[in-house]
Amino acid sequence: KQEVTQIPAALSVPEGENLVLNCSFTDSAIYNLQWFRQDPGKGLTSLLLIQSSQREQTSGRLNASLDKSSGRSTLYIAASQPGDSATYLCAPQSGAGSYQLTFGKGTKLSVIP
Amino acid sequence: DTGVSQDPRHKITKRGQNVTFRCDPISEHNRLYWYRQTLGQGPEFLTYFQNEAQLEKSRLLSDRFSAERPKGSFSTLEIQRTEQGDSAMYLCASSLSRGRKAGANVLTFGAGSRLTVL
Repeated sequence: KQEVTQIPAALSVPEGENLVLNCSFTDSAIYNLQWFRQDPGKGLTSLLLIQSSQREQTSGRLNASLDKSSGRSTLYIAASQPGDSATYLCAPQSGAGSYQLTFGKGTKLSVIP
Repeated sequence: DTGVSQDPRHKITKRGQNVTFRCDPISEHNRLYWYRQTLGQGPEFLTYFQNEAQLEKSRLLSDRFSAERPKGSFSTLEIQRTEQGDSAMYLCASSLSRGRKAGANVLTFGAGSRLTVL
């Protein structure tokens, strides 16, 4: 059974800082890994999808890396802004005929103006 | 397309009552997922459809839960004889299967249906 751990559970940084969120997973037989953000009381918004054959993916100020063999992914956020405050969730998607995503508990990010 | 729609957004019910949630996915998406999320936790997988076929069900989906996706379009999730432990946010998501367009397998989530069982 896939298990996902995200560290830290919460993070508070001043505006403008660069930061890294960590995600580890136990089963490396994944099809892809997706990062989402969730604002309080809302649904999830997709940020990045990294295919299992890729090492990294970039979108604007966000860069996600994947090391499938070691079961790790990181999300790098450059020049953080108050609008980045949210909970960030990583979710590896199973391969081998199963398409469910397994989520971690997330990292709650607060960017202080 | 306005994204994934869920209805109702909030439902308060008494223990023992039945409730039904509806999800309208993005029209071209052939996959549809249901997840449940409780406070402070990540979403937990419940079930998944490809077109009208229900291909996977979690052990979390007890016999009080049933999901359907007639004609491969909208989906319903029914909970019978609700219990206080069923209180949660029920999230629906949809995606395109791999091998089609760019953006395949990226899940688009709805805003969720929050259930409170008294």
